[in-house]
Amino acid sequence: GENVEQHPSTLSVQEGDSAVIKCTYSDSASNYFPWYKQELGKGPQLIIDIRSNVGEKKDQRIAVTLNKTAKHFSLHITETQPEDSAVYFCAATGYSTLTFGKGTMLLVSP
Amino acid sequence: DAGVIQSPRHEVTEMGQEVTLRCKPISGHNSLFWYRQTMMRGLELLIYFNNNVPIDDSGMPEDRFSAKMPNASFSTLKIQPSEPRDSAVYFCASSSGTERETQYFGPGTRLLVL
Repeated sequence: GENVEQHPSTLSVQEGDSAVIKCTYSDSASNYFPWYKQELGKGPQLIIDIRSNVGEKKDQRIAVTLNKTAKHFSLHITETQPEDSAVYFCAATGYSTLTFGKGTMLLVSP
Repeated sequence: DAGVIQSPRHEVTEMGQEVTLRCKPISGHNSLFWYRQTMMRGLELLIYFNNNVPIDDSGMPEDRFSAKMPNASFSTLKIQPSEPRDSAVYFCASSSGTERETQYFGPGTRLLVL
């Protein structure tokens, strides 16, 4: 089955800095890669996703890049704000159910 | 629009008791997922229904866990008997298509088994 590794497990940045979270996956058949944000006491919420026919996707301050050859994908958050503080999960799937990474706790300090 | 609704939000029970968690998916969604979240193991898929039919239950830990989806608007996850190691946050999610479509998560049920 699919195996998704996510790094780092924790990330602290100053407000206004950029944050990058990286994930690798094992199943070359995977073709859908969503990113979820989970705030304290809430369920994960989708923030951006990418499919394997696209190399990069942007939505305001958030971008995701995908390298299918290397089997890794990354989340980039620019101009971070304190409200970006949360746990972020990457996930991957091809022809089976989503496999999630272990999560990255992002802390943005004012 | 109402999102995924889960009840109860919190449950405290004693070891050996039966626990039933409930989920109402987003109207019109035909896929429903039950996840368990712990610090040690992260988010784990327990079972996945499509059109009310269980498709993949390989994540159900053992026979003490069972899930049903009697209709398109309701699902239950039952633990009988419960054990302290079942303590976790249980999430229900729904989507409008296959596992390759966006999953919308509910707020979760925080379960504590004493």
